[in-house]
Amino acid sequence: DAKTTQPPSMDCAEGRAANLPCNHSTISGNEYVYWYRQIHSQGPQYIIHGLKNNETNEMASLIITEDRKSSTLILPHATLRDTAVYYCIVRGGSQGNLIFGKGTKLSVKP
Amino acid sequence: EAQVTQNPRYLITVTGKKLTVTCSQNMNHEYMSWYRQDPGLGLRQIYYSMNVEVTDKGDVPEGYKVSRKEKRNFPLILESPSPNQTSLYFCASSNNRVGYGYTFGSGTRLTVV
Repeated sequence: DAKTTQPPSMDCAEGRAANLPCNHSTISGNEYVYWYRQIHSQGPQYIIHGLKNNETNEMASLIITEDRKSSTLILPHATLRDTAVYYCIVRGGSQGNLIFGKGTKLSVKP
Repeated sequence: EAQVTQNPRYLITVTGKKLTVTCSQNMNHEYMSWYRQDPGLGLRQIYYSMNVEVTDKGDVPEGYKVSRKEKRNFPLILESPSPNQTSLYFCASSNNRVGYGYTFGSGTRLTVV
């Protein structure tokens, strides 16, 4: 299974864009990149996923480099409610096992 | 509202007393799974189910049982709980098993004394 590397923590000013990086240099050609977040001790929340192309939805944008070895999750206008741990996951396991790493703790500050 | 409902939210029990944590989803999802979350260890999968009557072990299945008699329900059973099963538990469901759009429940915080 491809593994991911994320910075343990990041700060972002409220209203600014939050850019969360993720390295996945051993990703296979058919593996997707998924992003989830967990606010405090609530259940994780799906944000977005992608394979090769950049993706955007109502929550965020996902930029995947051309060689697919890294990606960036962008929250365009971070709010205090975006303070959470963000997990970058490369699909692992044929059984749909989401393998959560330690993630990045994003703190959005006023 | 589409959701995954877990009960109870909090539970304190004694070693060896059988308990069941219920999980129910109203989205007609085929795929369901259980995770536990521990400090420093992150979220780890316990069991999963591809469909009714189809279940399989995840990464940390020891000490747990599951059943999937109906599509909407996926209970987690601890036949003889031990203190090392003290943890935060999450149930999740999805209409796919590839990884996107999983919906997680609010969690069950279990303490075994």
